[in-house]
Amino acid sequence: DVKVTQSSRYLVKRTGEKVFLECVQDMDHENMFWYRQDPGLGLRLIYFSYDVKMKEKGDIPEGYSVSREKKERFSLILESASTNQTSMYLCASNIGGNGEQYFGPGTRLTVT
Amino acid sequence: DAKTTQPPSMDCAEGRAANLPCNHSTISGNEYVYWYRQIHSQGPQYIIHGLKNNETNEMASLIITEDRKSSTLILPHATLRDTAVYYCIVGIVPNAGNMLTFGGGTRLMVKP
Repeated sequence: DVKVTQSSRYLVKRTGEKVFLECVQDMDHENMFWYRQDPGLGLRLIYFSYDVKMKEKGDIPEGYSVSREKKERFSLILESASTNQTSMYLCASNIGGNGEQYFGPGTRLTVT
Repeated sequence: DAKTTQPPSMDCAEGRAANLPCNHSTISGNEYVYWYRQIHSQGPQYIIHGLKNNETNEMASLIITEDRKSSTLILPHATLRDTAVYYCIVGIVPNAGNMLTFGGGTRLMVKP
């Protein structure tokens, strides 16, 4: 089975802190994605990566950056966390050319 | 990507078939129909997808109308564990990115 893991299920950070969310997949997938999920807004794509060191902006990249130094790992970085970044963050991966995405369990981030 | 319209909520009796409709009237010829579900506090889970033919797997069946403007996901014998939000998504499968836009979905409540 494909496994996508995220570093934390719950995280509480203060405004202005730098926050790292880590995602690891074990199936050698080319593509990896970061979404955030908010009530009434569904899932929104923040960034995705189709190869090591490659990244593309999604629908809402402002306030976020990403890093993909190894194929299996995709990190989401909040340079200076703000309260409006309180959300559920979901990582996903898939094989190139295939629309079926595998999701991690999510990280619920609270910024106070 | 084409947009989809789903009812916000539905109920189903345990053991009965759950039929979840989705309208995608602006779907284009190269767009697939994907279904995912999200059980509370978990990441989304892929269920099934199709282009124009009906599809069946161990989880569900997907019926796509001949004009492709709508589809129905069928859970043949719903159980309490099928209670979740079900997302209907349409999207192409490019060589890179494979971005899927998740809308509001249908909250299915399976009742004893």
